[in-house]
Amino acid sequence: AQSVTQPDIHITVSEGASLELRCNYSYGATPYLFWYVQSPGQGLQLLLKYFSGDTLVQGIKGFEAEFKRSQSSFNLRKPSVHWSDAAEYFCAVGLRGNDMRFGAGTRLTVKP
Amino acid sequence: DAGVIQSPRHEVTEMGQEVTLRCKPISGHDYLFWYRQTMMRGLELLIYFNNNVPIDDSGMPEDRFSAKMPNASFSNLKIQPSEPRDSAVYFCASRDSGRGDTQYFGPGTRLTVL
Repeated sequence: AQSVTQPDIHITVSEGASLELRCNYSYGATPYLFWYVQSPGQGLQLLLKYFSGDTLVQGIKGFEAEFKRSQSSFNLRKPSVHWSDAAEYFCAVGLRGNDMRFGAGTRLTVKP
Repeated sequence: DAGVIQSPRHEVTEMGQEVTLRCKPISGHDYLFWYRQTMMRGLELLIYFNNNVPIDDSGMPEDRFSAKMPNASFSNLKIQPSEPRDSAVYFCASRDSGRGDTQYFGPGTRLTVL
């Protein structure tokens, strides 16, 4: 069965520092991969997605993610974190966009 | 363009009452999804529709939950009778199958059952 694991429940970084959020998936084929961000009291906003092609994908707000088939990973990165990036981040895997499974989420705290 | 619209944003009700959550998908989107988010279980898919027809309701927790999509512009999720364990944030999302596989989420309805 497809599943997605986000090993880090909570991460704290200093403003201006780099960020990497981990995501590992289990799936029989190459899935569609997504990163969403949820600010407090808000819905989920799509940051970026990978369907095929270039394994390094760029998203909004300066985020990028790299698909590594050999490691079954799709880690999210940002070179310099801003205080406004504090939020919860969800990795999701899906087949044809319907049967999507979300990770448990990683809560990001940004220290001034 | 307006995104997915959900109402109400917050609902507080007493155990045993009927609760109705509403969703207006993005115009032109042919898929609609209902999710529930709790601390214990994270984000769970409850049910989804394609062209107003329910396709998979295997995530609906029990018979107290029902969802309908009478037309392309509206869906509702009903809980009758409600129980305290139904307290959660309920999200609606929609997707345009002709333009990719991305689901677009509404702001959610925070339900509290006392």
